[in-house]
Amino acid sequence: DAKTTQPTSMDCAEGRAANLPCNHSTISGNEYVYWYRQIHSQGPQYIIHGLKNNETNEMASLIITEDRKSSTLILPHATLRDTAVYYCIVSGGGSNYKLTFGKGTLLTVNP
Amino acid sequence: DTGVSQDPRHKITKRGQNVTFRCDPISEHNRLYWYRQTLGQGPEFLTYFQNEAQLEKSRLLSDRFSAERPKGSFSTLEIQRTEQGDSAMYLCASSPQSITEAFFGQGTRLTVV
Repeated sequence: DAKTTQPTSMDCAEGRAANLPCNHSTISGNEYVYWYRQIHSQGPQYIIHGLKNNETNEMASLIITEDRKSSTLILPHATLRDTAVYYCIVSGGGSNYKLTFGKGTLLTVNP
Repeated sequence: DTGVSQDPRHKITKRGQNVTFRCDPISEHNRLYWYRQTLGQGPEFLTYFQNEAQLEKSRLLSDRFSAERPKGSFSTLEIQRTEQGDSAMYLCASSPQSITEAFFGQGTRLTVV
């Protein structure tokens, strides 16, 4: 059973910020929010994860709401190579050995 | 390339035949995972190993499926008596002690005809 809800698809203009939302209203206190992406015909790629604080790395920023029921992945300057399916995943606690993928959001970056 | 390696990348087999896939994880990664992905869906968890021990199997892994990880290094996934419904991408991933950052291979695409 999917623990997250994401829009099916989104568009973004090249060079602009892409903001991908995710709802995870049933998240438990010991569960993390993970983001992975999958470019066509490749395996998923880890992007970022967080527990309750906002996180930033070289790829993206993760903003988690104070109640932890939703989060936003931000790609600050989207490029054509960022076109992919983005998966928001909640995992941790006793299930810290597996990732439960939903259908994700297909982000299309347009020139 | 020090990433997760899977072999073969593509496999076409006739229904009823047995197939075996191999996964070489990133060295020193204790955990190894197998996932299956069908068209239009996200990957689904099949099983995971910590070193050589298989610690969890999804109910998706019927008795026709078997996975091994001898000596805690590479892993194999065998499907016996393949069915058309087994057609999918089989993904392998590895990680250090926790699932925090899993590294996926390119996958093996199986087509059962």
